[in-house]
Amino acid sequence: DAGVTQSPTHLIKTRGQQVTLRCSPISGHKSVSWYQQVLGQGPQFIFQYYEKEERGRGNFPDRFSARQFPNYSSELNVNALLLGDSALYLCASSLGAGGYQPQHFGDGTRLSIL
Amino acid sequence: QKEVEQNSGPLSVPEGAIASLNCTYSDRGSQSFFWYRQYSGKSPELIMSIYSNGDKEDGRFTAQLNKASQYVSLLIRDSQPSDSATYLCAVNIEYGNKLVFGAGTILRVKS
Repeated sequence: DAGVTQSPTHLIKTRGQQVTLRCSPISGHKSVSWYQQVLGQGPQFIFQYYEKEERGRGNFPDRFSARQFPNYSSELNVNALLLGDSALYLCASSLGAGGYQPQHFGDGTRLSIL
Repeated sequence: QKEVEQNSGPLSVPEGAIASLNCTYSDRGSQSFFWYRQYSGKSPELIMSIYSNGDKEDGRFTAQLNKASQYVSLLIRDSQPSDSATYLCAVNIEYGNKLVFGAGTILRVKS
């Protein structure tokens, strides 16, 4: 079975632009979470979605938004990009939204802001 | 105080030795704990989950949890050069909502 798939793999943007990142979960998984990972740090939680509803939000500005579609895929949008948004953006899926459900990560989208 | 703390390393062990990786967390209400392995330039890969006090073994990996001491560890037996990676400890701080990661421990296995 296919794992979590993310697109695009790499992206280069300039300050002030907007970006949309996409994620398809493992088949049968209904929960998707988004994380940001900067070099030398662990991933930082941005959002969790389950059954198209937001179930959790991390300490990120309103420039970050996300949604989940009926097929459980998800998009992460970031507006008014800043240099500090340069990072690896990771999508993780799990069967459900419960805390005992292990999350499995995709390969990530590496976003560079010039 | 950081929510999840790990020694950044690098931790260097000879091939065939036991590698011991440690993690402490601040939220006493945490119920689920995970270890991920991340190779350079790659995404995190789940290797162990543990929910109850005690030991959980899976092949060469053993996870240990002590909720009273707010401590979780990962032992890697018979370490191989291919185990060289960053090991991330992750804790569910808010039930079902938020996985909080430590900064990771770099492990180097020397042949």
